[in-house]
Amino acid sequence: DVKVTQSSRYLVKRTGEKVFLECVQDMDHENMFWYRQDPGLGLRLIYFSYDVKMKEKGDIPEGYSVSREKKERFSLILESASTNQTSMYLCASARLAGVSGELFFGEGSRLTVL
Amino acid sequence: AQSVTQLGSHVSVSEGALVLLRCNYSSSVPPYLFWYVQYPNQGLQLLLKYTSAATLVKGINGFEAEFKKSETSFHLTKPSAHMSDAAEYFCAVSPGNQFYFGTGTSLTVIP
Repeated sequence: DVKVTQSSRYLVKRTGEKVFLECVQDMDHENMFWYRQDPGLGLRLIYFSYDVKMKEKGDIPEGYSVSREKKERFSLILESASTNQTSMYLCASARLAGVSGELFFGEGSRLTVL
Repeated sequence: AQSVTQLGSHVSVSEGALVLLRCNYSSSVPPYLFWYVQYPNQGLQLLLKYTSAATLVKGINGFEAEFKKSETSFHLTKPSAHMSDAAEYFCAVSPGNQFYFGTGTSLTVIP
């Protein structure tokens, strides 16, 4: 069974802290994505990666960075967390966008910044 | 530019009634279209996808969707709602190497 695993389901951090959200997939997918989900706004793309060490900005990259040192792992980093980054973060992977490339999602990481 | 519009952020139906969730898209190229479902405190899982084969697509849990190019629509239906269908539903379009999501429709099923 295909799997995308996010390391933390729930996190509580303080303003200014550095936050790491880890995501691992076991499907040998080339593409990995980080989305942010907020009520009424749907899913907004933060960053995506189509290969190891490659990254592309999505729609809302400000305040975030990413790292992809290995094909199976894609990390989202909040250098200095702020309260407006309180949200649900979803990691996803896909082999190829399009025909067979539907997204597979992790369970999500709910981050609260105090 | 690609975009997805889901009409109705909240839909309520009675158990056993027809479910209809609306999705319209805009895409500059022939799209691939998807419906995802999200149960509380979980990630999204694929319900069905359109990949330019049959225009009527059947998915899991009795859901289906029809691709209508002339109307740029991909509405999701289920003949008879079940309590377990209560969830958030997202329509998405993928013209290439990215995915664009609608803002979601929350489905409530009334016993």
